[in-house]
Amino acid sequence: DQQVKQNSPSLSVQEGRISILNCDYTNSMFDYFLWYKKYPAEGPTFLISISSIKDKNEDGRFTVFLNKSAKHLSLHIVPSQPGDSAVYFCAASGGTYGQNFVFGPGTRLSVLP
Amino acid sequence: DAGVTQSPTHLIKTRGQQVTLRCSPISGHKSVSWYQQVLGQGPQFIFQYYEKEERGRGNFPDRFSARQFPNYSSELNVNALLLGDSALYLCASSLDWADETQYFGPGTRLLVL
Repeated sequence: DQQVKQNSPSLSVQEGRISILNCDYTNSMFDYFLWYKKYPAEGPTFLISISSIKDKNEDGRFTVFLNKSAKHLSLHIVPSQPGDSAVYFCAASGGTYGQNFVFGPGTRLSVLP
Repeated sequence: DAGVTQSPTHLIKTRGQQVTLRCSPISGHKSVSWYQQVLGQGPQFIFQYYEKEERGRGNFPDRFSARQFPNYSSELNVNALLLGDSALYLCASSLDWADETQYFGPGTRLLVL
């Protein structure tokens, strides 16, 4: 059973527009959520995180929103740039997983010039 | 500053063989975690080590084992390789076992024939 879901395998967005990547989770014990970005032939790179005590966290062009009641989080990238084209993984930790992550399957973002 | 390094970058083995993958964490990081990423899926947690002790174990068979050395580097061993073990093996380091931000290496791509 997939505890972290990213239902859109791919997303294409025009440069300068907003990219919205979604993630759903099923385990209510998760209390910390992260987004990682992965380019080909590289390991995942940490992007932004949010604790379950917050509902929003911003870092430059990246904002993560958490809706605990819906068990849903989203990553907003504004404005999108061609260099943002990568695979984005949502990850969750907490409960019996401790500080180790349960990853979603990823969403491939393509930002078109 | 050097990031997380892993060796080798690529490896080809045949079924039934054994393999050892190596990881050096970021300087000052004492915790190392291992993940397996199968094509098209997100990374899946295998082990976490902190101060040479196993701190967490994912849902993997006993063919998988790991250890951490006094310099905090780590090895992942997989015995009796199966075709399904073909994957990208990622190592991640963090300051300590409770640190919620992990930094990933580029991975070792293992192909089992």
